[in-house]
Amino acid sequence: NAGVTQTPKFRVLKTGQSMTLLCAQDMNHEYMYWYRQDPGMGLRLIHYSVGEGTTAKGEVPDGYNVSRLKKQNFLLGLESAAPSQTSVYFCASSYSGGLETQYFGPGTRLLVL
Amino acid sequence: GQQVMQIPQYQHVQEGEDFTTYCNSSTTLSNIQWYKQRPGGHPVFLIQLVKSGEVKKQKRLTFQFGEAKKNSSLHITATQTTDVGTYFCAGKKGANNLFFGTGTRLTVIP
Repeated sequence: NAGVTQTPKFRVLKTGQSMTLLCAQDMNHEYMYWYRQDPGMGLRLIHYSVGEGTTAKGEVPDGYNVSRLKKQNFLLGLESAAPSQTSVYFCASSYSGGLETQYFGPGTRLLVL
Repeated sequence: GQQVMQIPQYQHVQEGEDFTTYCNSSTTLSNIQWYKQRPGGHPVFLIQLVKSGEVKKQKRLTFQFGEAKKNSSLHITATQTTDVGTYFCAGKKGANNLFFGTGTRLTVIP
């Protein structure tokens, strides 16, 4: 099993450009999450999904959109990138949202110029 | 805003010394999880505590959950260079999502 994978690993964008980050998991997990990690801020939840076809806002959703068309995939979109979105993005998944642990992908490092 | 506070932010220790990081919440948590992130890596689950006053051990690591379920600690005995990384606590309140602490970055000097 590959676990949780993310593409791309690294990307440089210009302000105003758009892009989509892809997360895929092969563990048949219901829940998937997108976090951003900034120095001194820990991990902050952007959006999450409790199942195929559903999404919900997390702590810092502004400037991002998500889609969960297939159970194994969770996409994070930036329609118009801003320098404040320079960060490391982690995707995670869990079997449920209760007492289950979260399994993280390797991360995507995004630089917005 | 940040709902789970973690201290210290950084800690440098000599190899063989002990290390402790603390996690505090202003409200009662249903459970708390601890994760470790190696430099350049991703968070990896270590343990989960659910019961008030719970203490769990993993070799040299001891995890505690406070009686009021508002605080937790991770203690490492006799640190080794393999312990280097950032340790995060993550608290959960009911059915809500996990709120991660800011993390404690541990440096072990050989």
